Amino acid sequence: QVQLVESGGGLVKPGGSLRLSCAASGFTFSDYYLSWVRQTPGKGLDWISYISLSGETIYYADSVKGRFTISRDNAKNSLYLQMNSLRAEDTAVYYCARQVVATIGGDAFDIWGQGTLVTVSS
Amino acid sequence: DIQMTQSPSSLSASIGDRVTITCRASQSISSYLNWYQQKPGKAPNLLIFAASSLQSGVPSRFSGSGSGTDFTLTVSSLQPEDFATYYCQQSYSTPSFGGGTKVEIK
Repeated sequence: QVQLVESGGGLVKPGGSLRLSCAASGFTFSDYYLSWVRQTPGKGLDWISYISLSGETIYYADSVKGRFTISRDNAKNSLYLQMNSLRAEDTAVYYCARQVVATIGGDAFDIWGQGTLVTVSS
Repeated sequence: DIQMTQSPSSLSASIGDRVTITCRASQSISSYLNWYQQKPGKAPNLLIFAASSLQSGVPSRFSGSGSGTDFTLTVSSLQPEDFATYYCQQSYSTPSFGGGTKVEIK
C-alpha cells in the first residue's frame, strides 16, 4: 500500500526546535519529488518546502526560509523537516506529500501523509 | 508569487445538484492547475490534475476545465460523500493553493 506517515509533531515553546519525519512505503521513494505542506487550524493550505530526487534542488517558502531545513534519506525511505526558531504562526498540521509530474505538464501532490500537529506556544 | 482565488468560499447544495466552483489565478498558469478534496480531519485528496485530467480512482462526476487564469471544478450530481472542502492549486511556479470552498448540505 502506497503511504506516507509523518511523525515528530508536538508542543514546543517559541524559539524552540522540532524535527518532523515522514516514512514512505509501497513505492520507490527515490523516484519521487517530495514537499512539505502545512495547514493552519481551520484555514487553508500552504506549501513550505520542496526537495528533488537526490536532494540536489531545494526550495522554501519565504515564511520559513532560513529557519526550516528539508532533507531526505533515500536509503531509509524517509523525508525530514528540521524546524528551528519556531514562532506561534508556525502552529499547523504539517503534511508530507509526494509530487508526480504530469506527462502533459505541471505536477501535483498525489499522495499525502495523515499529518502531524505542531503547536508553538509558551 | 501567484495568488489563487476561489469562489464561492462556501455553498449549500442538495444531493443530486450540479455544483460548480471557480478558481482564478493572478497571472496566466496555462493548464497547471490541480483540484483537491479535503474532509474534516483528513489529508487532501487529488481529484483533477492539469486542469482537466481525472486522477485514477476519482468518480467521473468530477470534471475540471479552464486554462490561463480561469478554471472550474464541476460535480455533475452531488453525492453524500462529496460534502467537503475543495482547493485549487497551481503548479506553474512555487505551489500555491486557493482559500478553499466548503460544500455543505442544504
